[in-house]
Amino acid sequence: DTAVSQTPKYLVTQMGNDKSIKCEQNLGHDTMYWYKQDSKKFLKIMFSYNNKELIINETVPNRFSPKSPDKAHLNLHINSLELGDSAVYFCASSQVGTGYDEQFFGPGTRLTVL
Amino acid sequence: KNEVEQSPQNLTAQEGEFITINCSYSVGISALHWLQQHPGGGIVSLFMLSSGKKKHGRLIATINIQEKHSSLHITASHPRDSAVYICAVIRMNQFYFGTGTSLTVIP
Repeated sequence: DTAVSQTPKYLVTQMGNDKSIKCEQNLGHDTMYWYKQDSKKFLKIMFSYNNKELIINETVPNRFSPKSPDKAHLNLHINSLELGDSAVYFCASSQVGTGYDEQFFGPGTRLTVL
Repeated sequence: KNEVEQSPQNLTAQEGEFITINCSYSVGISALHWLQQHPGGGIVSLFMLSSGKKKHGRLIATINIQEKHSSLHITASHPRDSAVYICAVIRMNQFYFGTGTSLTVIP
């Protein structure tokens, strides 16, 4: 059983389009994250939701909007895609409780904006 | 200047060698995270530390809060350990990432 799944695995799209990446975890965790890994392989956190509530919102363009319909899902919507949005996006989850615990990562979604 | 510095950036070792990867940070933290990214791109969480030492199989992670330093050790290294190892520190709800250490273990 896949613990953290993301769809799609690959996404190729034109500049200006709007796209979504879905993430689901079946671990019963209360916290989910979105990370971006750029072409230089530098990892950066974008958002974190705890029990459907936004707790981390790093400086990212407001074209990026996370949506958490329930604890098991955290989807990433991107409007008006730009060339610089090309990257690998990773979803992760953890059980935070009283402190941060280890995170489980999804396989990543490689987004290419043409 | 990055809040998290890792060394070395690249490391090549012979199979069986003892390996150490270092992580130094400049902010007060609540926890430190070691991640492993495989050549295929998948990321695995290795350790989450807030003090002391943790061991899992051939991997050992230590942290010295006073010195703002953590080390990841791999004993009896194996070619399957070849990966990028990333250190991340957590302060309040802020995450700071190192640029990673690329490890290649040669048979």
